[in-house]
Amino acid sequence: EVQLVQSGAEVKKPGESLKISCKGSGYTFTSNWIGWVRQMPGKGLEWMGIIFPGDSSITYSPSFQGQVTISADKSISTAYLQWSSLKASDTAIYYCARQVNWYEGVFDQWGQGTLVTVSS
Amino acid sequence: DIQLTQSPSFLSASVGDRVTITCRASQGITSFLAWYQQKPGKAPNLLIYAASTLQSGVPSRFSGSGSGTEFTLTISSLQPEDFATYYCQQLNSYPRTFGQGTKVEIK
Repeated sequence: EVQLVQSGAEVKKPGESLKISCKGSGYTFTSNWIGWVRQMPGKGLEWMGIIFPGDSSITYSPSFQGQVTISADKSISTAYLQWSSLKASDTAIYYCARQVNWYEGVFDQWGQGTLVTVSS
Repeated sequence: DIQLTQSPSFLSASVGDRVTITCRASQGITSFLAWYQQKPGKAPNLLIYAASTLQSGVPSRFSGSGSGTEFTLTISSLQPEDFATYYCQQLNSYPRTFGQGTKVEIK
């Protein structure tokens, strides 16, 4: 069974750093792009960027370029999303999702989401 | 970026109703469009890709159509489990933007 399991909820203060994770199982992790999607409280979905764990190729949305860093460690089938200095406006649920190989861009499997709360 | 505008943003309907949601793109995207369903507290779930291809396991009451800049998601007979928020996503170019969502609630 294909699964993406994300790390648990985080509560941080503004200015702190954070790295959340997304571990894939049940498929060849290096064969599919993994994307990150933000959902702010009560709002819609925002596409942040994607990474190909096979060679760590990355594409960011211009809205998120420079604001976050996407990475992956293929040896442990895990993708990451990190911030160097959090802001209150980073408060959101962050989803990772697997992009299918047979139709570019489509996410067929999603993690359960990681709630990040940034508050002083 | 390609902008996607869904209409309506909110829809109130009864079980058994036929429901149609529209997604308009700010520029042509041929058939590079997907639809997702999201229930409260859950991750989105893929319904349709390539504008009209039903994802495996998705009930046949869901259908998609359109190309270019205008697309529709239709639920032929609304079921209790279909009350959720629906999002379109364009797959034509980066960033692969989503529409703002359409919330389908019980009338």
